[in-house]
Amino acid sequence: DTEVTQTPKHLVMGMTNKKSLKCEQHMGHRAMYWYKQKAKKPPELMFVYSYEKLSINESVPSRFSPECPNSSLLNLHLHALQPEDSALYLCASSRTGLDQPQHFGDGTRLSIL
Amino acid sequence: GDSVTQMEGPVTLSEEAFLTINCTYTATGYPSLFWYVQYPGEGLQLLLKATKADDKGSNKGFEATYRKETTSFHLEKGSVQVSDSAVYFCALPTGTASKLTFGTGTRLQVTL
Repeated sequence: DTEVTQTPKHLVMGMTNKKSLKCEQHMGHRAMYWYKQKAKKPPELMFVYSYEKLSINESVPSRFSPECPNSSLLNLHLHALQPEDSALYLCASSRTGLDQPQHFGDGTRLSIL
Repeated sequence: GDSVTQMEGPVTLSEEAFLTINCTYTATGYPSLFWYVQYPGEGLQLLLKATKADDKGSNKGFEATYRKETTSFHLEKGSVQVSDSAVYFCALPTGTASKLTFGTGTRLQVTL
């Protein structure tokens, strides 16, 4: 059983819709991450939160908007997405500091019509 | 910059065969090294890690030794099972906020 829970597991949305992806962990980790993974590729980092503050934005388009309401929750708000944004979106968490392994959720598979 | 190079897949083996997946890295200093596994339809799971040179990480019959002299962290298993079929990623942390640099991934398919 994964210790990082992501909802929903699957999401289909139109290009004009607004939706949110949710991620929750109860391991006491203070670093949380969003990744995008296309088929047969490694995950690509999108955002990093450390102590609930955004510390890294990997030049992600503004149609993706992250939010960290508290130390256990991470959201990714989606608006006006493009078909090329269809992918598996993975959330991860870790202790802070270099060399800490990340714990991943099972992801949300997103399809943009 | 830091990088990870993995052998191209897919790797197809018969059950009980010996597995090696090669991984070499380029990094500043001596970071920890990780192997992650992704089963179909799931997220990534940490398989094993090593934190310094000559460390051997092991888990579920898999092993990898951190070789500083060859900048390698090859994954091995003595006898694979069908349930080991998955994609394996070698990774190292880079930067100042636990960013992970991943290899391209190696797909393993084990047949009966």
